Amino acid sequence: DAGVIQSPRHEVTEMGQEVTLRCKPISGHDYLFWYRQTMMRGLELLIYFNNNVPIDDSGMPEDRFSAKMPNASFSTLKIQPSEPRDSAVYFCASSLPGGPRNEQFFGPGTRLTVL
Amino acid sequence: AQKVTQAQTEISVVEKEDVTLDCVYETRDTTYYLFWYKQPPSGELVFLIRRNSFDEQNEISGRYSWNFQKSTSSFNFTITASQVVDSAVYFCALSEAYNFNKFYFGSGTKLNVKP
Repeated sequence: DAGVIQSPRHEVTEMGQEVTLRCKPISGHDYLFWYRQTMMRGLELLIYFNNNVPIDDSGMPEDRFSAKMPNASFSTLKIQPSEPRDSAVYFCASSLPGGPRNEQFFGPGTRLTVL
Repeated sequence: AQKVTQAQTEISVVEKEDVTLDCVYETRDTTYYLFWYKQPPSGELVFLIRRNSFDEQNEISGRYSWNFQKSTSSFNFTITASQVVDSAVYFCALSEAYNFNKFYFGSGTKLNVKP
């Protein structure tokens, strides 16, 4: 059974460019989460969706960041324009319906470097 | 204020030693969940355990054991007879009743197990 799939695994871009990160959650999971991991701030929740609807985006750092979930099997996190301080590992995670008993399953992450 | 504190930034042990990773949490909720995740050098986060606030029974799974003490707001993780493959960053996380889907992660403890 496939886990959470993220692409690309590595992305190097120049400041000012648009970056799009992609995620495919585990089939049947109706919660999807985007996290950012940096040395300075650790793991931060950016946004999460339930049944394709954004529920909490309070962790999105600024308007340059946007996330969408057009269907149950696909989500994107876009940064436009990108800045060097956006360099981090971005994780996508998903979980089953049923609330608190369900752990989040993480994808392998996308390592983003903005030059 | 930090909701989850992992005071040990990095620990080094020699193979076969026992090691305990500390986790202290802070919450006003009476209902909450605690988690441990492992992040090996490959980068993905792997779920290890979930514990709810009403279950203080300690748990053992092979060489892993967890000690949950509400009186001290701690959820410590012990690896018995450590192995090189245990080398990873370990994260403790908390979710609270008002929003179970929002995980608060500690800053992680890097465990180095040397042969």
